[in-house]
Amino acid sequence: QVKLVESGGGLVKPGGSLRLSCAVSGLTFSEEYMSWIRQAPGKGLEFISYIGDSGSPIYHADSVKGRFTISRDNAKNSLYLQMNSLTAEDTAVYYCARLADSSCDYWGQGTLVTVSS
Amino acid sequence: DVVLTQSPLSLPVTLGQPASISCRSSQSLAHHTGNTYLSWFQQRPGQSPRRLIYKVSKRDSGVPDRFSGSGSGTDFTLKINRVEAEDVAVYYCMQGTHWPGLTFGGGTKVEIK
Repeated sequence: QVKLVESGGGLVKPGGSLRLSCAVSGLTFSEEYMSWIRQAPGKGLEFISYIGDSGSPIYHADSVKGRFTISRDNAKNSLYLQMNSLTAEDTAVYYCARLADSSCDYWGQGTLVTVSS
Repeated sequence: DVVLTQSPLSLPVTLGQPASISCRSSQSLAHHTGNTYLSWFQQRPGQSPRRLIYKVSKRDSGVPDRFSGSGSGTDFTLKINRVEAEDVAVYYCMQGTHWPGLTFGGGTKVEIK
């Protein structure tokens, strides 16, 4: 049974940093492309980042480029998103998802990031 | 990046009646491999998105057969044969043809009249 569990969300002040994690089980993690998608309160889905099975290629959407960094640890079956220089516009639920055959088939339950003073 | 435009934004439907959601792309989603990477997702209130359809018309395991996808090129449709109460949700299309900027449509909210 495939399971993706995000953690690390919370309340952070503008300009602050946060590191999200996604623990994956039930898949051969080291063979999978993985992604991060976010959803601002009451808004739609925004694809923000993906990473290849061995750590490349890496993609970040323009909205987070230079501030967010995706990474993975295949030995720990874990995906990460380092978020720096956070602003109120980054307030959202962040989902990790497997990216397979150009689609996101397995999703986690999400973790809420709130950027507020 | 490819822009996906969904319509309508909101879709009130009577239980047992059909529903249809459109997703139009700013570029053709036909890939040189012959595949078309257009997926549909359902997001019920308070839940994570769940994929229903991939590659235009392939249903995911466990998805009721009242859901179907169709289309080609730039125009795609998700149809619900007979809407049930559990189908109340926001539906999103997503394109995976044009990398690296994978994109979602803005969403269509299906509600019961």
